[in-house]
Amino acid sequence: GENVEQHPSTLSVQEGDSAVIKCTYSDSASNYFPWYKQELGKGPQLIIDIRSNVGEKKDQRIAVTLNKTAKHFSLHITETQPEDSAVYFCAALYSGGGADGLTFGKGTHLIIQP
Amino acid sequence: DVKVTQSSRYLVKRTGEKVFLECVQDMDHENMFWYRQDPGLGLRLIYFSYDVKMKEKGDIPEGYSVSREKKERFSLILESASTNQTSMYLCASSLWDSISYNEQFFGPGTRLTVL
Repeated sequence: GENVEQHPSTLSVQEGDSAVIKCTYSDSASNYFPWYKQELGKGPQLIIDIRSNVGEKKDQRIAVTLNKTAKHFSLHITETQPEDSAVYFCAALYSGGGADGLTFGKGTHLIIQP
Repeated sequence: DVKVTQSSRYLVKRTGEKVFLECVQDMDHENMFWYRQDPGLGLRLIYFSYDVKMKEKGDIPEGYSVSREKKERFSLILESASTNQTSMYLCASSLWDSISYNEQFFGPGTRLTVL
C-alpha cells in the first residue's frame, strides 16, 4: 500500500516568515494530494489540494507544489500569522474507481512565534 | 455547511466492554470513513464505506467492525475493548464523484480511554 513520509514533525517560525512542510509518497499511481489543518480540539479540515496533472497550486498565502518524478510534494505558507499555528497533515490517495481512504503523513506541528 | 457529528467527545470504558462509536453526516454523502489518531502516528484508516451496507477494510481493521444501515450513519464497534485501543477516533464523510475526488469532512473526534 501507499506510504507517506512527512517532515519536519515540529516547525517553529517567527510571525511573518515562511513555513515549508515536505512529504514524500511511495505509490507512483497516487494521483491526489490534499493538505489538512487540525486546530486544537477540532477535526482536520482541508486547506488545499493538488492533483497529479498539476505541478503547483496557490490560494492566497498557501501554495502546494508536486514533483511526480521524485514523488514528493510540499506545502508553503507565506507571511505566517498566529492563526496558522496548528497541526498540518499531508495525504495521498490512489483510487481504483471507488472510494478509498487517504494515507496520511504523521503530521507537522507548526508553531508561530510572536 | 457539511456537518459531521460524533456521539461523544470523551468516552471511558473498561477492558472487555463492547463499545459503539456513532457518526452522523447531514449532507447525503456516499462515502464515510473511520480513522484513529495517535501521537507520532498521524491518522490511520480503520474502515470505510461507499454505500449503505457496504464496508471495506482500511489499514488497521483488526479489533474493529463497522455498521452502515443508513446512508447518514456509520458506526464503529469495538467488540471487546482493549487498552491499546485508547485513542482519538475521527469520522469523516465525502461525496463520491467518478471523475474527481472530493474533500473529506471530519467530525470533531471521540477521545476513547480504555482502562
